[in-house]
Amino acid sequence: GAVVSQHPSRVICKSGTSVKIECRSLDFQATTMFWYRQFPKQSLMLMATSNEGSKATYEQGVEKDKFLINHASLTLSTLTVTSAHPEDSSFYICSARDPGLAGGDHNEQFFGPGTRLTVL
Amino acid sequence: DAKTTQPPSMDCAEGRAANLPCNHSTISGNEYVYWYRQIHSQGPQYIIHGLKNNETNEMASLIITEDRKSSTLILPHATLRDTAVYYCIVRVGIYDMRFGAGTRLTVKP
Repeated sequence: GAVVSQHPSRVICKSGTSVKIECRSLDFQATTMFWYRQFPKQSLMLMATSNEGSKATYEQGVEKDKFLINHASLTLSTLTVTSAHPEDSSFYICSARDPGLAGGDHNEQFFGPGTRLTVL
Repeated sequence: DAKTTQPPSMDCAEGRAANLPCNHSTISGNEYVYWYRQIHSQGPQYIIHGLKNNETNEMASLIITEDRKSSTLILPHATLRDTAVYYCIVRVGIYDMRFGAGTRLTVKP
């Protein structure tokens, strides 16, 4: 199946710094990617939908100025956590769909391995 | 999206079939049932999806009731590596997949 990678897999930073997380589709082009956040012992929460060449769409309650999303190419979306604070410590996961697969909108969504962010 | 209800946790003996139920009584005619799982500290993994017919692939079988108000994911021969949180999601299409609490399946030796 299609592969989605994330980098870094783990990052520790000081409070007040910014952290960039990359999400790549390795063997397909993704016009749309999704960013999720998962706190310990909780389910995944959709943060935003990243659209290649246009602005991201954020879910209600997600600060767009804090979580900057850039989808500059068909294989790369980045999430930048600006001025990170300890409460931003979480597991961040991206996903994408391969539009080239048969089945249209009902194909599976491929998820990255996640990035664990710890803000000290 | 239709709301889904899953038991918070289940146990299964290794080698036996694991049957994970999901209720989605408000599902509409064009909504599909998707199943994903998440092994600890990893990204979710697609398992299977279906509209109204039963589906089977190399990982699992999906049984959807005739009225489509509930479904069951079957792992025919559970192994320790199947220990994970299993999510049942009902959605029209694949975009912005939203996750509920899921069922934590523990496969025991």
